[in-house]
Amino acid sequence: DAKTTQPPSMDCAEGRAANLPCNHSTISGNEYVYWYRQIHSQGPQYIIHGLKNNETNEMASLIITEDRKSSTLILPHATLRDTAVYYCIVRPLTDSWGKFQFGAGTQVVVTP
Amino acid sequence: DAGVIQSPRHEVTEMGQEVTLRCKPISGHNSLFWYRQTMMRGLELLIYFNNNVPIDDSGMPEDRFSAKMPNASFSTLKIQPSEPRDSAVYFCASSPGTGYGYTFGSGTRLTIV
Repeated sequence: DAKTTQPPSMDCAEGRAANLPCNHSTISGNEYVYWYRQIHSQGPQYIIHGLKNNETNEMASLIITEDRKSSTLILPHATLRDTAVYYCIVRPLTDSWGKFQFGAGTQVVVTP
Repeated sequence: DAGVIQSPRHEVTEMGQEVTLRCKPISGHNSLFWYRQTMMRGLELLIYFNNNVPIDDSGMPEDRFSAKMPNASFSTLKIQPSEPRDSAVYFCASSPGTGYGYTFGSGTRLTIV
């Protein structure tokens, strides 16, 4: 599976948009980009995933560059409850068993 | 939907004792995963099942660890004998299938003294 690179940490002001970058320069054509987050003392939580088109759901938006070598997760209006570690993962959809390997992620701190 | 249910939430056991962690996946999910999380190693995939069959256990650290899924609604992760280095948070997750995200349980915080 392609490796991903994320900044180890970032801060965001409450109410502002949080833009979380992820580099995946070795991504293959059949690999999807997934985002999860883990709030302290909880299990990871699925956020969103996409292949090449931008995606949006009730939690966030995912912007994937045209060459698919990087992506950005956008939390449109960050709240204190969005403080968490955010993981970017690339994985082939054709991996029938769907296993995810988590990296170190980005520690996001939302401040008042 | 109650989500993925893990028990116990916390377990403190003496070294050498047998430890059994339990997981009830979401009804209808046919894939189940066991992860371990520590500060040093982060989230590690230990083993996963599809339709109750173990598919890949290459992440299981050693023979002291074993996992079973006797039916679609229950799985166990057993450590025998336990050692202090097994102390970690153990997560169970389930998924309805390929292309879907996982739903994780709240985890079991295991401490071996």
